Amino acid sequence: GAVVSQHPSWVICKSGTSVKIECRSLDFQATTMFWYRQFPKQSLMLMATSNEGSKATYEQGVEKDKFLINHASLTLSTLTVTSAHPEDSSFYICSAQEFGGGTYEQYFGPGTRLTVT
Amino acid sequence: GIQVEQSPPDLILQEGANSTLRCNFSDSVNNLQWFHQNPWGQLINLFYIPSGTKQNGRLSATTVATERYSLLYISSSQTTDSGVYFCAVEREDSSYKLIFGSGTRLLVRP
Repeated sequence: GAVVSQHPSWVICKSGTSVKIECRSLDFQATTMFWYRQFPKQSLMLMATSNEGSKATYEQGVEKDKFLINHASLTLSTLTVTSAHPEDSSFYICSAQEFGGGTYEQYFGPGTRLTVT
Repeated sequence: GIQVEQSPPDLILQEGANSTLRCNFSDSVNNLQWFHQNPWGQLINLFYIPSGTKQNGRLSATTVATERYSLLYISSSQTTDSGVYFCAVEREDSSYKLIFGSGTRLLVRP
């Protein structure tokens, strides 16, 4: 099955610093990846769509200058949380879309738990 | 935007019991997926099922697109089935974006 990895799995940083999270599709190429945010005991909220070779598109209410997304290759997308603040603490999850046989499932990474102190 | 509602919000089962989880959506969809989020946060793909019925072991799912709902059946539940079950849909006019329901939190007791 399709495998998506994320790194790091957890990170603690100080307020004002930046944190980069990597999302990789390990056994397939993904022209489209997605970034989600999940607060405790809540559902996943889509933050942005990452397209290889073009700018990311952000959902309403998501600050594009704060959450920088780069989709440098068909297997790697990165999310950088700039000037992090405690309210940015959350569980960040990426997904990659695999096309095949007329279907296009999203497969999810294991998530990155960010704590900003 | 499209609304995705899941029921029940919480479910407690004794090991070996069967259950049915429901997902209602308010608009036509291109895609519907069911996921299981384990206690460590990993989402596991269960079914890609925009319509019809599929089965995988003790789990099966049915989507009736014309009536805008999907059902996930869990038979002979095991403690490892515990976690949160999400359905997510992609609207017909959306660019592959998945909208998640609020989830059903399942606890299976030994």
